Amino acid sequence: DGGITQSPKYLFRKEGQNVTLSCEQNLNHDAMYWYRQDPGQGLRLIYYSQIVNDFQKGDIAEGYSVSREKKESFPLTVTSAQKNPTAFYLCASSIVRGVGNEQFFGPGTRLTVL
Amino acid sequence: QKEVEQNSGPLSVPEGAIASLNCTYSDRGSQSFFWYRQYSGKSPELIMFIYSNGDKEDGRFTAQLNKASQYVSLLIRDSQPSDSATYLCAVNVNYGGATNKLIFGTGTLLAVQP
Repeated sequence: DGGITQSPKYLFRKEGQNVTLSCEQNLNHDAMYWYRQDPGQGLRLIYYSQIVNDFQKGDIAEGYSVSREKKESFPLTVTSAQKNPTAFYLCASSIVRGVGNEQFFGPGTRLTVL
Repeated sequence: QKEVEQNSGPLSVPEGAIASLNCTYSDRGSQSFFWYRQYSGKSPELIMFIYSNGDKEDGRFTAQLNKASQYVSLLIRDSQPSDSATYLCAVNVNYGGATNKLIFGTGTLLAVQP
């Protein structure tokens, strides 16, 4: 089955810890994205990558880091510099073309800071 | 600042009625428009996309686009309780070159009453 997987489903972080969220896709999509969703708010873009070994900051990149060493994988690290990391984190992927770029989402990781 | 606006709701409709969800956007250059359904605690699921002015039908769903008015809507015919969810409108915005991003609205909560 083609799709996007994220792990873990739930993650608990202590103050001062870095944690890494996994995102893998087997859809052969070039582009991958990380979003954050807070209650009652829309999705906010953290980072995105349109090609291997290249990525760009989104609207709320501070306190986060990513890597794109393989086409299938786009892990997100939430660092201790992120002051309010408790949120629902969503990974998405899409093909890259002039019109369209419909994004498909993984099941998400819910991060809670203890 | 590129914006996408939706009424947060809740929009309450009786079972079997037509639900009408609306979205306005600020970027006149946008060419791709998407509707996602998000059940509580789950990730967004793509249900419709539309690129051209007019109507696009898929089963009980119809997307309507009016680029002159910068308005996109989603109609759900014969609404069912299982349609109760938050519906996210997303607009593809070009930021120059090959850089395209989806801008999401905050979503409209639909409640279908049995």
